[in-house]
Amino acid sequence: QLQLVEYGGGVVQPGRSLRLSCVASGFTFSDYSMHWVRQAAGKGLDWVAVISYHGVNKYYADSVKGRFTISRDNSENTLYLQMNSLRSEDTGVYYCARGPSADHWGQGTLITVSS
Amino acid sequence: EIVMTQTPLSSPVTLGQPASISCRSTQSLVHSDGHTYLTWLQQRPGQPPRVLIYEISNRVSGVPDRFSGSGAGTEFTLKISRVEAEDVGVYYCMQAKQIPHTFGGGTTVEIK
Repeated sequence: QLQLVEYGGGVVQPGRSLRLSCVASGFTFSDYSMHWVRQAAGKGLDWVAVISYHGVNKYYADSVKGRFTISRDNSENTLYLQMNSLRSEDTGVYYCARGPSADHWGQGTLITVSS
Repeated sequence: EIVMTQTPLSSPVTLGQPASISCRSTQSLVHSDGHTYLTWLQQRPGQPPRVLIYEISNRVSGVPDRFSGSGAGTEFTLKISRVEAEDVGVYYCMQAKQIPHTFGGGTTVEIK
């Protein structure tokens, strides 16, 4: 059964870093691009980044460019999001989703950026 | 950036009656690979988003067949043939044709 499980959420102070992981199972991970999407409490969905199936091509939303890095380890079926210089506006639930259509999503992990 | 506009903002529906949500994009969503990357998601209260339909009309496994998607180019529609109580929530369209990928603002389906 296809499954995406996110890890790594928590409370972090502004300016600090955090790394999220998304472990995939039930499909050939290395065949698919992967996305990160986030959602602030009570708000809509906000696309963050996407990485190609081989990890070579990476694209980011302007709001995170230069601060966040998406990566993957196909041998471990794992997607990552390294988040640096975190801001209060980065607070929210972060989801990984299978590309290119974002046709399957994980349950999300909550990031709270607060002093 | 492709802007996705959903209408209506809110859709009060009687149980057993149909509901329809429209999504319009500011550019065609037909990718150079021939696919149209338009996805519909449902978010029930307190739950993570769940994909209902991808590439306009492909239902994800396990999604009831009362949900259907249609459209082409820049105009897309999600239809619920007979609304059930469990369908209450917010529905989003999303385009994955162009970076940045973008979402519609959401349509709330509620029971009258």
